[in-house]
Amino acid sequence: KAGVTQTPRYLIKTRGQQVTLSCSPISGHRSVSWYQQTPGQGLQFLFEYFSETQRNKGNFPGRFSGRQFSNSRSEMNVSTLELGDSALYLCASSGTGDEQYFGPGTRLTVT
Amino acid sequence: QKEVEQNSGPLSVPEGAIASLNCTYSDRVSQSFFWYRQYSGKSPELIMSIYSNGDKEDGRFTAQLNKASQYVSLLIRDSQPSDSATYLCAARSRNSGGSNYKLTFGKGTLLTVNP
Repeated sequence: KAGVTQTPRYLIKTRGQQVTLSCSPISGHRSVSWYQQTPGQGLQFLFEYFSETQRNKGNFPGRFSGRQFSNSRSEMNVSTLELGDSALYLCASSGTGDEQYFGPGTRLTVT
Repeated sequence: QKEVEQNSGPLSVPEGAIASLNCTYSDRVSQSFFWYRQYSGKSPELIMSIYSNGDKEDGRFTAQLNKASQYVSLLIRDSQPSDSATYLCAARSRNSGGSNYKLTFGKGTLLTVNP
């Protein structure tokens, strides 16, 4: 079974721009969660989508948004990028259990 | 704020020794616990899940859960240099609104296994 895939793997953006990241879950998994990982803060939960609905949300500003499509693929968008948004963005999919399986991540650098 | 705490390390053990990684959590109603391994520059990889008090063994790995003490641990027997990584503990805990659950991660313990 193919794992979670994320595109792009690396991204360099300028402050003020916006960015869209994509995640395709493991086949059959309907839940997709997004995380931001930085050296200082560790893994921070952004939001979770299930069956095209946001089921859960972390403590991030409204500049961070997401959506999920009918095929369970998910995108997250960050608008008006700030230097502090530089991080590894990870998505994880889960099926009927609580286990989450991570994709390889998107490394975002904001200059 | 529901938290998961881990000793950041680094924890250094010789090859062949037992590595012991510890984690505490604050949300008393957490029911599911996970250990992930993350190599430098890679994403986290699920290695163990545990739901009931006691021990759960999988190969060289043993997860231990004590809900009364809100404590989770991971033992790695016969440690190998390839086990050198950051180990993340996660607990399924209530989100701030109280009605939904999310995984809360500790900041990880860096393990170094010396040949």
